[in-house]
Amino acid sequence: DAGVIQSPRHEVTEMGQEVTLRCKPISGHNSLFWYRQTMMRGLELLIYFNNNVPIDDSGMPEDRFSAKMPNASFSTLKIQPSEPRDSAVYFCASTVAWNQPQHFGDGTRLSIL
Amino acid sequence: AQRVTQPEKLLSVFKGAPVELKCNYSYSGSPELFWYVQYSRQRLQLLLRHISRESIKGFTADLNKGETSFHLKKPFAQEEDSAMYYCALNTGNQFYFGTGTSLTVIP
Repeated sequence: DAGVIQSPRHEVTEMGQEVTLRCKPISGHNSLFWYRQTMMRGLELLIYFNNNVPIDDSGMPEDRFSAKMPNASFSTLKIQPSEPRDSAVYFCASTVAWNQPQHFGDGTRLSIL
Repeated sequence: AQRVTQPEKLLSVFKGAPVELKCNYSYSGSPELFWYVQYSRQRLQLLLRHISRESIKGFTADLNKGETSFHLKKPFAQEEDSAMYYCALNTGNQFYFGTGTSLTVIP
């Protein structure tokens, strides 16, 4: 089992560009989470899905951020337009049930110049 | 409001010394608490959860509802314990992580 797979591992782009981060959860996991990690704020939950349906997106910083989960094996987090303050490590995690531990991907290190 | 508080961003201890990473939570219901660890260049992974009441890698954490705390403890720190530690709270419909504590064990 490869675990949660995220791509790309690193992304460097100029401000104003669209950024798309991808996540493949562990097969059979019903819940998927997107997090942002920064030195100042630690790990912040952005949005989570249950059975492909967005449940709570209150952590999404602003309208420039959007997330989708078109099927049980794929999710995207999109930033458009990107800004330097979006630079962070973005993690995806999945879990088989809400009360079970989450399994994290390796993260995407995003740098917006 | 911050649901999970980890007051120490950085913590350094000498090898063999006891270590305690503090975690306080704010939740009036029945909490489910976890400790996650992120070693250098590795994925964030579960260290332990309060309901299992087990010791992992020598670490233990006891839920104290009176003090709303879930401190992580180890009697004798090892160099390989150097990592980032996150305390997490599951309220049943939301997940909250603390800001993390970076632990350095000095040889």
